[in-house]
Amino acid sequence: GAVVSQHPSWVICKSGTSVKIECRSLDFQATTMFWYRQFPKQSLMLMATSNEGSKATYEQGVEKDKFLINHASLTLSTLTVTSAHPEDSSFYICSARDRTSGNGGELFFGEGSRLTVL
Amino acid sequence: AQSVTQPDIHITVSEGASLELRCNYSYGATPYLFWYVQSPGQGLQLLLKYFSGDTLVQGIKGFEAEFKRSQSSFNLRKPSVHWSDAAEYFCAGAFNMDTGRRALTFGSGTRLQVQP
Repeated sequence: GAVVSQHPSWVICKSGTSVKIECRSLDFQATTMFWYRQFPKQSLMLMATSNEGSKATYEQGVEKDKFLINHASLTLSTLTVTSAHPEDSSFYICSARDRTSGNGGELFFGEGSRLTVL
Repeated sequence: AQSVTQPDIHITVSEGASLELRCNYSYGATPYLFWYVQSPGQGLQLLLKYFSGDTLVQGIKGFEAEFKRSQSSFNLRKPSVHWSDAAEYFCAGAFNMDTGRRALTFGSGTRLQVQP
């Protein structure tokens, strides 16, 4: 099946620094990618929809200046957590759908990136 | 508003016993429905999905789910649970298909524990 890869899978940073997480579709092109956040023992909450070549669409309550999303190509979207604080510590998961598969196509999920802010 | 509900936060079953995980949705039409499994610290793996047609859907690892429109439900079942099935299970729905917004809305998850 199609593969979505996230990097890094695990990162620890100091408070106040910025962290970039990459999401790549390895064997398909994705016009749209989605970024989710998952708190411990909780469900996935959609943060934003990343659109190739245009601005991301953020969900209500998600700070766009805090969570910068760039979708520069059909195979790469990045999430940058700026000026990270301990409350930003979470598991971040991206997903993508093959752009040729239409609305009914399967969403493929990355392995997730665990961010710990000290 | 559209939503997906998993009423059971935690379920424990004995190995070899049957399993049913509940999922209900709230939507004016039929959404696309999915079941995912997540092992600790891992991403999500798709078990099965329902778009239309046959309401009994077969998935991987011996799982199946039945869509019941009258009950707005999409329960996941497995006739005989294995210890390796212990994980977190998420039901998800895709709404607003006509607007092109195709993100998934997830239920709160059900943690499955398997006793030997």
